[in-house]
Amino acid sequence: RKEVEQDPGPFNVPEGATVAFNCTYSNSASQSFFWYRQDCRKEPKLLMSVYSSGNEDGRFTAQLNRASQYISLLIRDSKLSDSATYLCVVKLTGGGNKLTFGTGTQLKVEL
Amino acid sequence: DADVTQTPRNRITKTGKRIMLECSQTKGHDRMYWYRQDPGLGLRLIYYSFDVKDINKGEISDGYSVSRQAQAKFSLSLESAIPNQTALYFCATSDFGVAGASSTDTQYFGPGTRLTVL
Repeated sequence: RKEVEQDPGPFNVPEGATVAFNCTYSNSASQSFFWYRQDCRKEPKLLMSVYSSGNEDGRFTAQLNRASQYISLLIRDSKLSDSATYLCVVKLTGGGNKLTFGTGTQLKVEL
Repeated sequence: DADVTQTPRNRITKTGKRIMLECSQTKGHDRMYWYRQDPGLGLRLIYYSFDVKDINKGEISDGYSVSRQAQAKFSLSLESAIPNQTALYFCATSDFGVAGASSTDTQYFGPGTRLTVL
């Protein structure tokens, strides 16, 4: 079983739609959680951290369920510029700053 | 100017050649990392360094070596390149800080080096 699993997609959605991505992680000792965004052939960039209480940044909402070892990302009112691959990322307790990356979920927002 | 730079950006080489990929950063971070990215496999950690005197193997270090020449520089070498080392290579840096109950240890990536081994 992969340490971090994501549906690879692609998710093709119309502009303005709401879309949700899910991610599961296998190690219950995981400490910190993140969503990174990666545009085609570019470097990953941090989109947002994911906190236990859930957090929101504009049109983006991240949720964490430690009991189910599950992370989600919700994008509301999607824009063409949201088209990218979204990487679920997990850091283990005591692992320094070593991150484990999911393979990513591809989003295509269409007119 | 970019905070994390990688050279070269693209490289095509032949099996058996020695290759060095270089990474420089102006962020003043102590921690640096080398990853490779392959389709369907995601990013995998090759080596990481928490300071100039600290080098650690990641999950896929075989066939690779690194050198941390200074806080700002971290090089990755392929001593004898083979075709299955064809991949997109990323360098990353991070600092470590604590904000409330959560760390703010964001990693910042360079633009990547696309390496092809024929």
